[in-house]
Amino acid sequence: GDSVTQMEGPVTLSEEAFLTINCTYTATGYPSLFWYVQYPGEGLQLLLKATKADDKGSNKGFEATYRKETTSFHLEKGSVQVSDSAVYFCALTGTNAGKSTFGDGTTLTVKP
Amino acid sequence: GAVVSQHPSRVICKSGTSVKIECRSLDFQATTMFWYRQFPKQSLMLMATSNEGSKATYEQGVEKDKFLINHASLTLSTLTVTSAHPEDSSFYICSARTLSGGALDTQYFGPGTRLTVL
Repeated sequence: GDSVTQMEGPVTLSEEAFLTINCTYTATGYPSLFWYVQYPGEGLQLLLKATKADDKGSNKGFEATYRKETTSFHLEKGSVQVSDSAVYFCALTGTNAGKSTFGDGTTLTVKP
Repeated sequence: GAVVSQHPSRVICKSGTSVKIECRSLDFQATTMFWYRQFPKQSLMLMATSNEGSKATYEQGVEKDKFLINHASLTLSTLTVTSAHPEDSSFYICSARTLSGGALDTQYFGPGTRLTVL
């Protein structure tokens, strides 16, 4: 079945540091790929998405590129802020009845 | 656009009682809604897929008689936890997929409901 593997956390960075959270996947067919962010006590918010190979999703300074050859969708941000502290989930929606599969989440803490 | 609400946001109940959680798509119609459960510091676990006008499809290991799902309209799905017990305490999150979207379109998530069973 489909699966998503995320870089284990927690990740602690200083403000303005460069962020990379790795995500790799296995799926049949051509899934859509997503990054979601969850703040404490809240639901998930879509951060960015990509629906086909070589697409780059971007939002709020975050970027991720759909790499089919390496089955990856790594999340990057050039300069993180304290307000970026949250849990980040990589996910895919595959051809299996349109269900989504989530990674385990990576907790990011940004210190001033 | 694409806002999903959940009610209540937080509920505390006694063991043995039933609790209903509502999930609404506020500005779009959703033929498909999903119900997830999230334990502390863990990922989301899909419980069931709710389709308007038909029975929900439950994931393996999820008791359909305990977690009753009703997708009454294109904007409302409800999850009822029957005879709740402390082990049912969790964060329940719903999501909805837009009516016009294909199977791979984005899901929009509700803010979640924190259930505590005493």
